[in-house]
Amino acid sequence: AQSVTQPDIHITVSEGASLELRCNYSYGATPYLFWYVQSPGQGLQLLLKYFSGDTLVQGIKGFEAEFKRSQSSFNLRKPSVHWSDAAEYFCAVGAGGYQKVTFGTGTKLQVIP
Amino acid sequence: DVKVTQSSRYLVKRTGEKVFLECVQDMDHENMFWYRQDPGLGLRLIYFSYDVKMKEKGDIPEGYSVSREKKERFSLILESASTNQTSMYLCASKQGRQTGELFFGEGSRLTVL
Repeated sequence: AQSVTQPDIHITVSEGASLELRCNYSYGATPYLFWYVQSPGQGLQLLLKYFSGDTLVQGIKGFEAEFKRSQSSFNLRKPSVHWSDAAEYFCAVGAGGYQKVTFGTGTKLQVIP
Repeated sequence: DVKVTQSSRYLVKRTGEKVFLECVQDMDHENMFWYRQDPGLGLRLIYFSYDVKMKEKGDIPEGYSVSREKKERFSLILESASTNQTSMYLCASKQGRQTGELFFGEGSRLTVL
């Protein structure tokens, strides 16, 4: 069975600083990988996904993520954080077909002025 | 604009009460899901359905049941609510057989006293 680890529970960054959120997965074959964002009081919204092809994927709101098979990682990055990026971010892995998607425990991002 | 609507944003119930959480999607998606979200635990899958009248257990089905009588509607039922079922409940839907984007509702926060 697949699993996801998000090692950082909370991260605080200054507005305008760069951001990297870590995600490590465990799965034997090529995974389907996702990053979702949850703003306070809201449901989750897809930021980006990786299924195959180019290992650097671009998403909405200026986010990108890089799939590194050798490190079993799918880290999320943004070059310059805005106050509106304060939210909780979830990494998720799926195995394809009807197999379920497994979510990480989330990283809560705080942005300070 | 696609939408997953959860009928109740906030509910307060007493131990032993029967609780219904309703979810409706307007995207004609075959698949619907119920997740439970708790701090530090991320999202955990309770039940999912890939067709009308079909249901499959997720990771934590104990104490819950579901109903899918129509394609657009997926209900989560707590037969006898307990305090350890106090949580945020998220409904999601997805198109097609392959792993893909989940569309989430805004969540239902249930408190069981």
